[in-house]
Amino acid sequence: QKEVEQNSGPLSVPEGAIASLNCTYSDRGSQSFFWYRQYSGKSPELIMFIYSNGDKEDGRFTAQLNKASQYVSLLIRDSQPSDSATYLCAVNKNRGSTLGRLYFGRGTQLTVWP
Amino acid sequence: DVKVTQSSRYLVKRTGEKVFLECVQDMDHENMFWYRQDPGLGLRLIYFSYDVKMKEKGDIPEGYSVSREKKERFSLILESASTNQTSMYLCATLVGGAEGNQPQHFGDGTRLSIL
Repeated sequence: QKEVEQNSGPLSVPEGAIASLNCTYSDRGSQSFFWYRQYSGKSPELIMFIYSNGDKEDGRFTAQLNKASQYVSLLIRDSQPSDSATYLCAVNKNRGSTLGRLYFGRGTQLTVWP
Repeated sequence: DVKVTQSSRYLVKRTGEKVFLECVQDMDHENMFWYRQDPGLGLRLIYFSYDVKMKEKGDIPEGYSVSREKKERFSLILESASTNQTSMYLCATLVGGAEGNQPQHFGDGTRLSIL
């Protein structure tokens, strides 16, 4: 079982719609959760992080965490063509020798068409 | 702003060469990481370091070594480059220290081709 799994996509939504990206993780003791955006040919950039159950909103982005279900999601409201990228989910177990290490999903490619 | 600098954006080397990829950060971060990224395989951790002269193997350390002589610099070494090491290499540092809850910040990446 992979540490972090994402719906493989690709995901295609029209401009203005809500894009929903999902991620599950295997280690119930995981502590912190991150969403990165990666444009083609570029390096990943952090867009959201969440540590507690519930929702966290930042502009058009909302991260949702459900530790009981081992599930984290990213919602992008009012999607724009500039949101077209690959979105990476990352999880930190935050203990022992894994301190600071992130486990990444393989990413979901999102296309927002005008 | 965190600045993570990788020495080259593009690099072409020959099979059998010893290749050095350099990564420098300017924020006194303790933890640094080297990944490779390949289509369909995602980001895979090669090595990481949590202090000067300290290193830990990641998931795919074979064929690689690392060096951390100074806190700000973390080098990835391909001992004898092979074509299957053609990839995008990404360096990252841990923002905010070693508490473990902090995100990593990535450099721009080095696209390495081994001919």
